Amino acid sequence: SLVLTQPPSVSVAPGQTASITCGGNNIEFKSVHWYQQKPGQAPVLLIYYRTDRPSGISERLSGSNSGNTATLTISGVKAGDEADYYCQVWDSSSDPPKWVFGGGTKLTVL
Amino acid sequence: EVQVVESGGGLVQPGGSLRLSCAASGFTFSNYWMSWVRQAPGKGLEWVANIKEDGSEKNYVDSVKGRFTISRDNAKNSLYLQMNSLRVEDTGMYYCARDDGHYGSGTYYRYGMDVWGQGTTVTVSS
Repeated sequence: SLVLTQPPSVSVAPGQTASITCGGNNIEFKSVHWYQQKPGQAPVLLIYYRTDRPSGISERLSGSNSGNTATLTISGVKAGDEADYYCQVWDSSSDPPKWVFGGGTKLTVL
Repeated sequence: EVQVVESGGGLVQPGGSLRLSCAASGFTFSNYWMSWVRQAPGKGLEWVANIKEDGSEKNYVDSVKGRFTISRDNAKNSLYLQMNSLRVEDTGMYYCARDDGHYGSGTYYRYGMDVWGQGTTVTVSS
């Protein structure tokens, strides 16, 4: 069964670039989706299908996949980016198939 | 406006039942897979179940199989989650989410969950 591993926390200074990783077996062959969740709010889809952004999502956000790691990159980090971030994959090789979320990463803006 | 609104949460004793509802509006509900996702207090997101556009296919996380049933009524633009034999560990916020994607070349390409409700709280406690 697929397990997605994220670092519990990432800290970055304003204006710098934050990279949040999501590790999983052969994840480069899977479509990874990313979400942002702020306290008391529902999650928001940031990146889908590895690299695509829904309308209204900042161009400062980008996604990439390589080997066993997917990465969400946030450039020019702002205070408003402070939130929890989750990766997600549809595990079609599982029987039955299922959605899998990473454990989440708390982004702190210093 | 595209939106989904959950209802039906509450306080229930272990072993009890609840039925959650999700009312969809602003999009053609019958064209989309739909999911339930939950979040225990202070914890991460956990997918619970999803259902195909016409209700012909349903998938569940192992921990709820045999206890929870997902269903939908496309005529009423509504999604449901019947929760039986509830456990303390089922406590949390339950979100309804639209499961986006498209069919191509005999494959369904999943784009993640692009519409979420604000959630309904389920508390299982004696």
